[in-house]
Amino acid sequence: GQNIDQPTEMTATEGAIVQINCTYQTSGFNGLFWYQQHAGEAPTFLSYNVLDGLEEKGRFSSFLSRSKGYSYLLLKELQMKDSASYLCAVKNSNYQLIWGAGTKLIIKP
Amino acid sequence: IAGITQAPTSQILAAGRRMTLRCTQDMRHNAMYWYRQDLGLGLRLIHYSNTAGTTGKGEVPDGYSVSRANTDDFPLTLASAVPSQTSVYFCASSEQGGEDTEAFFGQGTRLTVV
Repeated sequence: GQNIDQPTEMTATEGAIVQINCTYQTSGFNGLFWYQQHAGEAPTFLSYNVLDGLEEKGRFSSFLSRSKGYSYLLLKELQMKDSASYLCAVKNSNYQLIWGAGTKLIIKP
Repeated sequence: IAGITQAPTSQILAAGRRMTLRCTQDMRHNAMYWYRQDLGLGLRLIHYSNTAGTTGKGEVPDGYSVSRANTDDFPLTLASAVPSQTSVYFCASSEQGGEDTEAFFGQGTRLTVV
């Protein structure tokens, strides 16, 4: 089967750093995506990794290790507006996105 | 404003009724998708279309049908709704179905089948 595993919920403090992990087992690999989803809203694209290593985009960075089937999303200088669910998704050999259940991130003042 | 629009935003539907969820995009994207999102589960693909005139089945297609008569529209039909189809439905599109193209999502349709 194919599955994406992420922690269900995480809590962090405003101004701090948080790392959200994602492990995957899929039939083939054609890239890994991170999306942000605020409660009651649509997912929005954050990052894309297809090669091993770190991709940095402002306060957000995403890391990929294909050999380990592992990725993480790193959020720095956390703000209250970062409270949301973060969805990890992998494109498999058929170019279909397989989604994790998402990690609900709670930011406390 | 360019984007992807779904209608209705929410709906309460009696079991056994037929319902079509509408989805329209004005970005001229080739690929379009329908997902359902349920608490504790990841987004699950119902049906997809890589280009106008073609459709394919996703992970959970039973009880749903789609059509893609043109580039912009991708309606999802529930022929005879059942309570297990209560969910939030998202339509999405991407430039193509390839490796690195991100998906853009509509605002979602919250459907309750009673």
